[in-house]
Amino acid sequence: GNSVTQMEGPVTLSEEAFLTINCTYTATGYPSLFWYVQYPGEGLQLLLKATKADDKGSNKGFEATYRKETTSFHLEKGSVQVSDSAVYFCALSDRGGGSYIPTFGRGTSLIVHP
Amino acid sequence: ETGVTQSPTHLIKTRGQQVTLRCSSQSGHNTVSWYQQALGQGPQFIFQYYREEENGRGNFPPRFSGLQFPNYSSELNVNALELDDSALYLCASSPGLAVDSNEQFFGPGTRLTVL
Repeated sequence: GNSVTQMEGPVTLSEEAFLTINCTYTATGYPSLFWYVQYPGEGLQLLLKATKADDKGSNKGFEATYRKETTSFHLEKGSVQVSDSAVYFCALSDRGGGSYIPTFGRGTSLIVHP
Repeated sequence: ETGVTQSPTHLIKTRGQQVTLRCSSQSGHNTVSWYQQALGQGPQFIFQYYREEENGRGNFPPRFSGLQFPNYSSELNVNALELDDSALYLCASSPGLAVDSNEQFFGPGTRLTVL
C-alpha cells in the first residue's frame, strides 16, 4: 500500500534560518504530491503541490521538488519567520484501482524562535 | 465565498453510542472527503463522496458510514463508538474528482471525545 514518511519533529529554528523537512513516499502508481500546513487552532491548508516527476511546487517562499528517482518531496525555505510556526504534512494522492485514496504523513511540527 | 464549515465543534459521547457529524462544502464543490486525525498523527482517509455516491474508502469498519445530500453537504455517522474513535474529524471539499490537480479545502474539524 501507499505510505508517506516524514522526519520526526519538532524542528526548532531561529528566525531567518534555512528549513528542510524531509518527506519520502511509497506508491504503487504515479501519485501527485502535496504539502499541507496546519496553523494552531486551524484546519489544514494546501501549501504547494506537484503532479509529476521533476515538477517544483512553490508558495510563500516554500519549495519542494518531486523526485521520482529518490521517491522524495522535501520541503525547503530559505529564511523562516516566526509566523511559519505550524505543523507541516506531506501527502500523496494516487488513483489506485479506480478510487482516490489520499495518504498523509504524521506531520512535522516547526517552531521558529525570534 | 463561504468556506467549509463543520458542526458541532466539540462533542462528548460514551462508548456504544452513535454520533453524526456534519459538513457544508465550499460553494461550487461537489466532492467531500472525511478524515480522522488522532492526536499527534496525520489525517487518515475515511471515505469520499462525489455527487451523492461513495467514491473510495479507507481502512475503516462499516460502522463508519456517510451521506452526501443534493446540495453537496455531507454527514459522517459512527455507530457503536469505541474509545479509539476519539479524534479530530476533518471534512474537505474539492471542485471535482480529479484530486490530483484539484485542491482540497479543509474545515476546522469536529473534536470527538469518547468516554
